[in-house]
Amino acid sequence: GAGVSQTPSNKVTEKGKYVELRCDPISGHTALYWYRQSLGQGPEFLIYFQGTGAADDSGLPNDRFFAVRPEGSVSTLKIQRTERGDSAVYLCASSLNQGETQYFGPGTRLLVL
Amino acid sequence: KNQVEQSPQSLIILEGKNCTLQCNYTVSPFSNLRWYKQDTGRGPVSLTIMTFSENTKSNGRYTATLDADTKQSSLHITASQLSDSASYICVVSAHSGYNKLIFGAGTRLAVHP
Repeated sequence: GAGVSQTPSNKVTEKGKYVELRCDPISGHTALYWYRQSLGQGPEFLIYFQGTGAADDSGLPNDRFFAVRPEGSVSTLKIQRTERGDSAVYLCASSLNQGETQYFGPGTRLLVL
Repeated sequence: KNQVEQSPQSLIILEGKNCTLQCNYTVSPFSNLRWYKQDTGRGPVSLTIMTFSENTKSNGRYTATLDADTKQSSLHITASQLSDSASYICVVSAHSGYNKLIFGAGTRLAVHP
């Protein structure tokens, strides 16, 4: 079956613009996670969804970042007024239930010029 | 503060040789420890998972150890292959209701012919 997919695979934008990153989790997975990975670093937690609700959004760096999962499947990470420091790989992962193995997507590479 | 530290930062070995990667963590309450392999441009993939009571786990040529008393783990790779070239990330799960993951920065392994 299909794994976690993310689109776009690469995104280049200008400082101040708005971007949306999409994650399609594995079908049937109730838990979905967003991470941000800077060059040479491990992923950093951003937000966790259980079903449609954000169960933990403590990793979001500021109010420019927002994520939704309206139907409990696909999720969108939204970044407003992008800054150069937002440049990173944004990884999405899903798991069948909370606490179980997380399966990662290939990531979206965001570059803010 | 929950932290995971890995060493070395990078490592170069010749094909066929063995190597050992180290991980120290200060995560509480501890739930489990995983080693992930991340190929360049891809999302992390889980190699092994160990809970508090397990002190060794093997997956093919990969053997992970865990000393919960000293809060240390190692990943030993036997008879390395060129395809082992990747980043290896130690990930500790904090028992916070849904097993929040704390990632190390990874060890970047290069296997040369």
